[in-house]
Amino acid sequence: KNQVEQSPQSLIILEGKNCTLQCNYTVSPFSNLRWYKQDTGRGPVSLTIMTFSENTKSNGRYTATLDADTKQSSLHITASQLSDSASYICVVSAEGSQGNLIFGKGTKLSVKP
Amino acid sequence: ETGVTQSPTHLIKTRGQQVTLRCSSQSGHNTVSWYQQALGQGPQFIFQYYREEENGRGNFPPRFSGLQFPNYSSELNVNALELDDSALYLCASSLHPRETQYFGPGTRLLVL
Repeated sequence: KNQVEQSPQSLIILEGKNCTLQCNYTVSPFSNLRWYKQDTGRGPVSLTIMTFSENTKSNGRYTATLDADTKQSSLHITASQLSDSASYICVVSAEGSQGNLIFGKGTKLSVKP
Repeated sequence: ETGVTQSPTHLIKTRGQQVTLRCSSQSGHNTVSWYQQALGQGPQFIFQYYREEENGRGNFPPRFSGLQFPNYSSELNVNALELDDSALYLCASSLHPRETQYFGPGTRLLVL
């Protein structure tokens, strides 16, 4: 069964600190992996997208990594800001899935002053 | 902002009623996907429309139906509403079924 598991479920950090969110997946055959940021009550916004051949991609203070062998991905946030408080969702797409994305449940990040 | 709009923003219905949710895709996008997101959960794929044809469907009963118009806007219809249908309904548009999806703000549906 295609699944995406994220950890931790929630995380509280102080402003200015770094953090790393984890994503493990069992989606096969793998097409690509995306990280989305979702503010409360809003739609998700794409941060990064990685295919099988890519193992790292950055978007400002966000850096995503992908290990296709171990089927793991991480999202590293540096110098966190209060506006980083949101849910971060790992999304995996399977080949031939006709747009059916498999979403993780997300990690809820709270950045405190 | 992604350029994807949804209406209404909030909606309250009672069990057994029917509801229609609307989505306007980003300019140039011919693909619209619909998702249901229960509180504290990740979005679940309902179905996708590509050039006015259904292009894939998730594990949702037939009372969830949809259509896509020639201008690529889309509707999600839910008949015989149940309490468990209470959720945030997200639509996402993309240039093509395999391309990055851009999400709208969602419609929050409450079924009483």
